[in-house]
Amino acid sequence: DIQMTQSPSTLSASVGDRVTITCRASQSISRWLAWYQQKPGKAPNLLIYKASSLESGVPSRFSGSGSGTEFTLTISSLQPDDFTTYFCQQYSSYPLTFGGGTKVEIK
Amino acid sequence: QLQLQESGPGLVKPSETLSLTCTVSGASISSSGYYWGWIRQPPGKGLEWIGSIYYTGSTYYYNPSLESRVTVSLDTSKNQFSLRLSSVTAADTAVYYCARRPSSGHPDGWGQGTLVTVSS
Repeated sequence: DIQMTQSPSTLSASVGDRVTITCRASQSISRWLAWYQQKPGKAPNLLIYKASSLESGVPSRFSGSGSGTEFTLTISSLQPDDFTTYFCQQYSSYPLTFGGGTKVEIK
Repeated sequence: QLQLQESGPGLVKPSETLSLTCTVSGASISSSGYYWGWIRQPPGKGLEWIGSIYYTGSTYYYNPSLESRVTVSLDTSKNQFSLRLSSVTAADTAVYYCARRPSSGHPDGWGQGTLVTVSS
């Protein structure tokens, strides 16, 4: 199985901050990585696919980069609606696996 | 527009079998090139992929940690697919999501999720 290690698990920031979340794969997954945002009581919402492709309708302040084993999700200027939890997921091979999540909190 | 909706009992007794159905609208589960699958999330925890089945019904993948207890199946006549998880324990308490995934891509549609509690 490919293990996905996401960091940090919690991040404290302020509105307007630039934040970066990292996801590391235990082996190369090329660019087969997605990032999701999840709000309490809701299903995950796709932000980024294929490591850096922005899903339609997602604000441009979200961006993704990386390939192989190291990936990042960057929010260029945090907005009030962005304080929630984020997950990465690899879909290079089965079993599909997720990172443990990053909760972005208000500082 | 693709929509997926989970349904099934919200409470299951320990040692019994959890059964959920995902009803798909806006797309046919017989459309070529798609996997239909299940993902779960225990309260306050992360996401765990359970298993997926190809539109043909002949190819499927299960999480090795659950493989001995899981069955995912298609019902093309009703445009639904199902999850069965046997011998459940409290550790199987979770929100269960159904999802669609193109054969070489990311999941592109999720249900809203349904909470299943395992308790006597």
